[in-house]
Amino acid sequence: QSALTQPASVSGSPGQSITISCTGTSSDVGSYNYVSWYQQHPGKAPKLMIYDVSNRPSGVSNRFSGSKSGNTASLTISGLQAEDEADYYCTSYTTSSTYVFGTGTTVTVV
Amino acid sequence: EVQLVQSGAEVKKPGESLKISCKGSGYSFSVYWIGWVRQMPGKGLEWMGSIYPGDSDTRYSPSFQGQVTISADKSINTAYLQWSSLKASDTAMYYCARLIAVTDPLKGWFDPWGQGALVTVSS
Repeated sequence: QSALTQPASVSGSPGQSITISCTGTSSDVGSYNYVSWYQQHPGKAPKLMIYDVSNRPSGVSNRFSGSKSGNTASLTISGLQAEDEADYYCTSYTTSSTYVFGTGTTVTVV
Repeated sequence: EVQLVQSGAEVKKPGESLKISCKGSGYSFSVYWIGWVRQMPGKGLEWMGSIYPGDSDTRYSPSFQGQVTISADKSINTAYLQWSSLKASDTAMYYCARLIAVTDPLKGWFDPWGQGALVTVSS
């Protein structure tokens, strides 16, 4: 099971919007809406940001949103803030009854 | 408050065995799958496998099948990840996380996560 493909890095200025893509296959992202996104700051445990493609947990800023089209899921951060600088990972359930994570994306606020 | 608390950092030699733990609190431990995730130094997250503490049903990633053993003791709300013979390449941070699902207990998202357990294997 290959990792889902994410861009290695994405950057944006404060207040801008950025989008992180997460490309899988018809065996994972394309088959289910069980795609979730996690934020990880250096030295910290991952934190859930989006579940089931587009749902935001209580307490997560509404600046974070998710979507999916075909085999590609996306995470959009609007109104970018310095605190959004972190690594982001997507994950999907697969037809093999396993989970696969994305390669990870480092977001930089310039 | 739902919480997963992991055991502390470990330093081991190649060939040694190790069992790390993940204790849940604030929820019914037996009815949620627990997943284990590896993060090697400077690298991304990798799903290793998951266990259902209620009946110890376990699923492994093909990459980790046979390399580690996942177990649980529901009487003390604790899940485990163990190695019988560590290698230097097992050096990593290991996280446990609760799997939350709505329709199918195995299909969902991971929340919350434990604080991580750093395992260092070096001669």
